[in-house]
Amino acid sequence: KAGVTQTPRYLIKTRGQQVTLSCSPISGHRSVSWYQQTPGQGLQFLFEYFSETQRNKGNFPGRFSGRQFSNSRSEMNVSTLELGDSALYLCASSLRAGSPLHFGNGTRLTVT
Amino acid sequence: DAKTTQPNSMESNEEEPVHLPCNHSTISGTDYIHWYRQLPSQGPEYVIHGLTSNVNNRMASLAIAEDRKSSTLILHRATLRDAAVYYCILLNNAGNMLTFGGGTRLMVKP
Repeated sequence: KAGVTQTPRYLIKTRGQQVTLSCSPISGHRSVSWYQQTPGQGLQFLFEYFSETQRNKGNFPGRFSGRQFSNSRSEMNVSTLELGDSALYLCASSLRAGSPLHFGNGTRLTVT
Repeated sequence: DAKTTQPNSMESNEEEPVHLPCNHSTISGTDYIHWYRQLPSQGPEYVIHGLTSNVNNRMASLAIAEDRKSSTLILHRATLRDAAVYYCILLNNAGNMLTFGGGTRLMVKP
């Protein structure tokens, strides 16, 4: 079974731009969640989608948004990029709430 | 959100057992205790999870305190490949909203 796939692997953007990251979950997994990882803050939860509905949201500004499609693939968007948005963005999928998370290898975003 | 507390780092000798502790004193009855580990340049990898009873799998064992306010991940024989950052997290069964602690960096000495 293919694992969680995140694209692109690396991304460089400039301040003020916007970016869209993509996540393809494991086949059959309907829950997709997103996380931001930085050296200073560690792993922080962004949001979680299940069957195209956002079920939970972390404490991030409205510049961070996401969506999930009918095939469970998910995208997250960050608008008006700031230098502090430079991070590794991780996506994870799971069968249902409480079941093990399967993470992708992330998209490393650098904002200059 | 329920939080977890872990030591920042631990050291172990190769082929010796390792006990990684985690405190989660504000855990709720519906929170599952999950452990993941992360190698450099990779996403976290699932290790084990449990609710109330101790659990064993091919990678590790999970010992859960009777009051569920703490747990211990046990690696029975540490290898160099086990060197990673280990995260103890609580997953709510109402949705995958969760809180990561800072994790424990495990160093394994040959």
